[in-house]
Amino acid sequence: AQSVSQHNHHVILSEAASLELGCNYSYGGTVNLFWYVQYPGQHLQLLLKYFSGDPLVKGIKGFEAEFIKSKFSFNLRKPSVQWSDTAEYFCAALSYNTDKLIFGTGTRLQVFP
Amino acid sequence: DGGITQSPKYLFRKEGQNVTLSCEQNLNHDAMYWYRQDPGQGLRLIYYSQIVNDFQKGDIAEGYSVSREKKESFPLTVTSAQKNPTAFYLCASSREGQGNSPLHFGNGTRLTVT
Repeated sequence: AQSVSQHNHHVILSEAASLELGCNYSYGGTVNLFWYVQYPGQHLQLLLKYFSGDPLVKGIKGFEAEFIKSKFSFNLRKPSVQWSDTAEYFCAALSYNTDKLIFGTGTRLQVFP
Repeated sequence: DGGITQSPKYLFRKEGQNVTLSCEQNLNHDAMYWYRQDPGQGLRLIYYSQIVNDFQKGDIAEGYSVSREKKESFPLTVTSAQKNPTAFYLCASSREGQGNSPLHFGNGTRLTVT
């Protein structure tokens, strides 16, 4: 079955630490990839997306993600996190073969000052 | 400001009652969606609609119904047939079909059925 896996369920970091959240999808073929973020008390919003082109994509607030096709991965990174990055992060992938968008289970990030 | 409005924010119902969740958007988006968010399960698609008067079942449509009579509105009814209705429900819209353009989400409705 098609799936999107986020292996880190809960990540706790201190400010200025580096962040990498894993995301793997099970599809073959062409995919569109997304990271969404849900800050406490706010609605889900797009952090960044990959459709084609440069596999290293940059999003808002200093986040970036790298699409590695051979590893079916789209990991999210930030070199130095801030307390305001505390949120829940969701990876999502669309397979062109099935036209189905599937979300991962989310990663809760807590950043302490 | 354009956006998606879901109401109410919190909803309480007795078991056996149907309940309708509202979702309105003023983004002029063609596609609208309903997701259910449960702890540890991410977002699961209930129903989606690509155009007015047309909608399709998602992965967990059983016990739910929708209508799309207007472009701006996509209400979700949680029926008494839904076995585990207590959850956080998210409405979303997009300019194009799911996954081809980013989703814009509402703030959600938390439904508690006792």
